[in-house]
Amino acid sequence: AQSVTQPDIHITVSEGASLELRCNYSYGATPYLFWYVQSPGQGLQLLLKYFSGDTLVQGIKGFEAEFKRSQSSFNLRKPSVHWSDAAEYFCAVAEKGGGNKLTFGTGTQLKVEL
Amino acid sequence: DAGVIQSPRHEVTEMGQEVTLRCKPISGHDYLFWYRQTMMRGLELLIYFNNNVPIDDSGMPEDRFSAKMPNASFSTLKIQPSEPRDSAVYFCASRSQGYNEQFFGPGTRLTVL
Repeated sequence: AQSVTQPDIHITVSEGASLELRCNYSYGATPYLFWYVQSPGQGLQLLLKYFSGDTLVQGIKGFEAEFKRSQSSFNLRKPSVHWSDAAEYFCAVAEKGGGNKLTFGTGTQLKVEL
Repeated sequence: DAGVIQSPRHEVTEMGQEVTLRCKPISGHDYLFWYRQTMMRGLELLIYFNNNVPIDDSGMPEDRFSAKMPNASFSTLKIQPSEPRDSAVYFCASRSQGYNEQFFGPGTRLTVL
């Protein structure tokens, strides 16, 4: 069965600093990969996704992620964090075919210090 | 497009009562998913439908939970009887055939006292 690991439960960064959130997955082949963001009391918003092709994908709000097959990783990055980026971030994988069910990581809570 | 619509946004009920959560997917989407989010278990898939037919309900925790999709624009998740451990945020999501992105609704926060 596929699984997703987000090793950092909480991360605190200063506004303007760079950010990297880690995500590792376990799957028999290359799955579809996603990053979602959830603000307090809100639903999930898709930041970016990887299906195939270029391993560096750009998303909304200045985020990007890089797929590294050899490391089974899909880390999320942002060069300069804004206070409004404080939220919880979820990495997810979907099996190819069928319903493309999503399996989520446990999430990383990002705090931004002003 | 209005996006995925869920109702109610908040529900507070007493143990033993029946609870019905509702979802309207994005028009034209063929797949509908129900997820549950708790502190202990995170986000987990409960069930999903394709063209109104339940495909995988392996995530439904027990017989107290049931889900239906009577037509392409409406789905319900019912808990009967409800228990305090069912307290969670329940999300509905939908996607279209051949497009792998799921769109999430705002969720229903359920509190069972």
